[in-house]
Amino acid sequence: DIVMTQSPDSLAVSLGERATFDCKSSQSVLYSANNKNYLAWYQQRPGQPPKLLIYWASARESGVPDRFSGSGSGTDFTLTITSLQAEDVAVYYCQQYYSTPFTFGQGTKLEIK
Amino acid sequence: EVQLLESGGGLVQPGGSLRLSCAASGFTFSNYAMTWVRQPPGKGLEWVSVISGDGASTFYADSVRGRFSISRDNSKNTVYLQINSLRAEDTAVYYCAKGSTYRWDDPSRNCDMEVCGQGTKVTVSS
Repeated sequence: DIVMTQSPDSLAVSLGERATFDCKSSQSVLYSANNKNYLAWYQQRPGQPPKLLIYWASARESGVPDRFSGSGSGTDFTLTITSLQAEDVAVYYCQQYYSTPFTFGQGTKLEIK
Repeated sequence: EVQLLESGGGLVQPGGSLRLSCAASGFTFSNYAMTWVRQPPGKGLEWVSVISGDGASTFYADSVRGRFSISRDNSKNTVYLQINSLRAEDTAVYYCAKGSTYRWDDPSRNCDMEVCGQGTKVTVSS
């Protein structure tokens, strides 16, 4: 199974500042035939189900604010939130969907400083 | 609008069984794979199982293989998760999710969980 490791476990950022989350996979999730990374980011607000933010490592889901962006390739990925808003308080998970089982990282909890 | 409504959770004794259901609406159900994930209290997400659009293909996490069974009834737009031989560590909120393609291994897939339901809580305790 592919192991996903996120860092840090928690993060406190001031409103209006940048938040950065890292995610590493134990093996590459880049599919060479189409040059796509099978890596997604989800946001889970307190008491809510996960919500898809980013797919293919850097494509923003419809309706997701453009302050959210994803980058990276192969085994190293980053989610960035520019200009943090209060409603961004949540746990953020990365998930690989390259090979089953489609494993998640342990999550990064984002709080307001 | 895609909507997923899980049901069937509850309190069950160790060794017991439950059948979870997920009723879908707002999309052509038979065209998409469906996934179950779970979240123990205060912990992260754990991927559980996936089923193809026609129900012919399934895959399970090692932690549940042999005890859990995923199925679907496309005439009722519903996916199920039969959970047997329940253990304390199966206590969790169980979410169903709509996939992005007919099969989970379709190279054109853009994610595993496009939309999630609100979840149903399963508690295993004596």
